[in-house]
Amino acid sequence: KNEVEQSPQNLTAQEGEFITINCSYSVGISALHWLQQHPGGGIVSLFMLSSGKKKHGRLIATINIQEKHSSLHITASHPRDSAVYICAVRSYNTDKLIFGTGTRLQVFP
Amino acid sequence: DAGVIQSPRHEVTEMGQEVTLRCKPISGHNSLFWYRQTMMRGLELLIYFNNNVPIDDSGMPEDRFSAKMPNASFSTLKIQPSEPRDSAVYFCASSNTRGKMNTEAFFGQGTRLTVV
Repeated sequence: KNEVEQSPQNLTAQEGEFITINCSYSVGISALHWLQQHPGGGIVSLFMLSSGKKKHGRLIATINIQEKHSSLHITASHPRDSAVYICAVRSYNTDKLIFGTGTRLQVFP
Repeated sequence: DAGVIQSPRHEVTEMGQEVTLRCKPISGHNSLFWYRQTMMRGLELLIYFNNNVPIDDSGMPEDRFSAKMPNASFSTLKIQPSEPRDSAVYFCASSNTRGKMNTEAFFGQGTRLTVV
């Protein structure tokens, strides 16, 4: 079993829909990252969380440390949101960054 | 700021050749990370430098791989000799940790390596 699990693996949506991507982890962490990888391959760091909730524009990330779960929400989705979204946690014990396998999102007009 | 700069963007080389990937971190960042991404294994951390010193190289796959950071503004990842299974996208990232590990990392655009 992977230490970081994301769901769903693939997601398609119509423009304007509300999107949720989930990340569950099984290790103690010091931080959780949400990354976005564009179709061209570049990676952008969206959020870094250690508790609570963060919001950047239409993106919202939440984390529940007790339940070892984080969600990334996209409101009013747009085709340009189409990308792979990767959850990564930094292990509290080893300091290593552990990646989920990513969620491929396609938003159609 | 130009962000993390990697070169080359694409590299095609023959098996057995030496390959050198380069990274310029964001000015002022004191931590630098090399990652490899493949379809089979996803993103993997290869090595992590803090203040130019390698802190954790446990992700380096084997002795054919080596990384250096001679100064705060430059790092290289070298593969010698290269093999087809090294084909992947190699990402460099930097962050400003100043003693803390849980800070945001900024990624370069990656180098797509193909070994034929």
